[in-house]
Amino acid sequence: DAGVIQSPRHEVTEMGQEVTLRCKPISGHNSLFWYRQTMMRGLELLIYFNNNVPIDDSGMPEDRFSAKMPNASFSTLKIQPSEPRDSAVYFCASSFTGENTEAFFGQGTRLTVV
Amino acid sequence: GESVGLHLPTLSVQEGDNSIINCAYSNSASDYFIWYKQESGKGPQFIIDIRSNMDKRQGQRVTVLLNKTVKHLSLQIAATQPGDSAVYFCADSGGGADGLTFGKGTHLIIQP
Repeated sequence: DAGVIQSPRHEVTEMGQEVTLRCKPISGHNSLFWYRQTMMRGLELLIYFNNNVPIDDSGMPEDRFSAKMPNASFSTLKIQPSEPRDSAVYFCASSFTGENTEAFFGQGTRLTVV
Repeated sequence: GESVGLHLPTLSVQEGDNSIINCAYSNSASDYFIWYKQESGKGPQFIIDIRSNMDKRQGQRVTVLLNKTVKHLSLQIAATQPGDSAVYFCADSGGGADGLTFGKGTHLIIQP
């Protein structure tokens, strides 16, 4: 398996623009997580899905952020409108809900909002 | 809310020495703990995990110790190598489909 695949790897956008980050989880995994990483706040859980259903979105910073998982093999995280403070590395991770809850991470998307 | 945190932001060790990275957690309901390694420009990678019904688990050159009494977790790396240089995160979970809560991370620096 190729692991968790995220795209794009890097995104530079102007303030006010819409940004869409994409994630393909590992086949067979039924939980998907979006994390944001910054120097100041470390790794923060934004939202996670189980069997394509959002379970907890309490980490989503504000209404400008939204996430969807239309099927088991694809998820998006959208920011609209984007702001400079959204600049961070966004990670997607997936796992199989069972006895072990180890999550496998993608390479991340480095977002810069100017 | 409760969170997992790390004691030290940076740890510098000599190549060949053993490294010990510490972590404190506060969620008494957590029953699953993981150590991740993150190299520059990459996502966190799983190193080793441990469940709350255990107090020690060993892997290849790594050992995780869990002290539930004081809510403390540590990662021991034997014979540290240059490739061990990275940021190490502890994380905990309440189990099931819950997301992992990460600490801030410890940057391990290996000196030649």
